[in-house]
Amino acid sequence: QKEVEQNSGPLSVPEGAIASLNCTYSDRGSQSFFWYRQYSGKSPELIMFIYSNGDKEDGRFTAQLNKASQYVSLLIRDSQPSDSATYLCAVESGANNLFFGTGTRLTVIP
Amino acid sequence: DAGITQSPRHKVTETGTPVTLRCHQTENHRYMYWYRQDPGHGLRLIHYSYGVKDTDKGEVSDGYSVSRSKTEDFLLTLESATSSQTSVYFCAISDLSGGANGYTFGSGTRLTVV
Repeated sequence: QKEVEQNSGPLSVPEGAIASLNCTYSDRGSQSFFWYRQYSGKSPELIMFIYSNGDKEDGRFTAQLNKASQYVSLLIRDSQPSDSATYLCAVESGANNLFFGTGTRLTVIP
Repeated sequence: DAGITQSPRHKVTETGTPVTLRCHQTENHRYMYWYRQDPGHGLRLIHYSYGVKDTDKGEVSDGYSVSRSKTEDFLLTLESATSSQTSVYFCAISDLSGGANGYTFGSGTRLTVV
């Protein structure tokens, strides 16, 4: 059973702070890793993907991958109230689909 | 959710009745997926398709069947609905195997079985 683990939160940060979201996965063969954002009552939307060890930056978002530790994280700099959502970590399973974590709920306090 | 639509958006049905949910895409993507999302469980794969008439089971496929007769349509059928199938159902599409570029999700169908 492939597993993707996330802290369910809620994680609360003040506006302007850095939010750090973490994810671990069990399948050492996984090659692709994704972060989705899901607002309440809405569908998940892709915000970042990463394939290689290290950091990948896109605007205020940075994804970090450490395959040796089977760990992927998402940093959100200068957090805004509009970033308040549930963040889903997803890991490619090697069998034509993605496995999702249960998500971390983030609240950015104005 | 441009390019992918789900219908209906909401449905209430009675236990024991068959229910069909539809996913329609205009992106010409090869891969299509049905997930259900429940509190505490996250998104779990029900079935997926890797081409017309090519489908396979996911981790929670019992009680569900699918069909894909055209590239653009992927149907999910609950053979005989049960209360445990009350959930939010999401369809997703991908142009690459394994979702290597990630998925695009539809808006979801909220199904209540009473």
